[in-house]
Amino acid sequence: EIVMTQSPLSLSVTPGEPASISCRSSQSLRHLNGRNYVDWYLQKPGQSPQLLIYLASSRASGVPDRFSGSGSGTYFTLKITRVEAEDVGVYYCMQGEETRRTFGQGTKVEIK
Amino acid sequence: VQVLESGGGLARPGGSLRLSCTASRLTFNKFAVIWMRQAPGKGLEWVSAIGDSGRTTYYADSVKGRYTISRDNSRNTVYLQMGSLRAEDTAIYYCVIDDRGGTIGGHRWGQGTLVTVSS
Repeated sequence: EIVMTQSPLSLSVTPGEPASISCRSSQSLRHLNGRNYVDWYLQKPGQSPQLLIYLASSRASGVPDRFSGSGSGTYFTLKITRVEAEDVGVYYCMQGEETRRTFGQGTKVEIK
Repeated sequence: VQVLESGGGLARPGGSLRLSCTASRLTFNKFAVIWMRQAPGKGLEWVSAIGDSGRTTYYADSVKGRYTISRDNSRNTVYLQMGSLRAEDTAIYYCVIDDRGGTIGGHRWGQGTLVTVSS
């Protein structure tokens, strides 16, 4: 099983300031085809997870461009250039390299 | 793309439930489908998956032998038959269209259906 380790587990951010979450995998997520099968999700209270980023750096449809993903191999990052109040919730990374999908523990983001 | 789960509810320990997942606005038989779950206040857990044709199935160790996944491509529907239910199976169950490669813009999640196992 691929273990995904997120940090930090909680983040308190002032509106307008940047934020960054990292995710480290226990084995490389870079497929033979060169793609990195990593998603980032935001789960707002009472809602299902909302896809933000897929293939490590592709922004999902309708996601604001203040969200970006980067990384390759075993280290990945989600960055928010300017946090807004609507960005609160729990962020998860997920690996899609193996059929048995696994998730990071989640990072709870709140607004100061 | 729309994904809609149904079939959740209250079940007794040892009982059974069948969840359904229907997807629309996609070529359903081109995609594998995954069930994930989230226990109250906990993180996300992969439960089961089925290949696009239905010939290959996969299960988490925690549900193997108790759950059965199947699909009917003529109805754009995947099923999760859950048996020998335990209190620890209590969770919101999400159906996910497996699009890791981004053909339709990435994994598509439903809104979830709540399963509660309690006497």
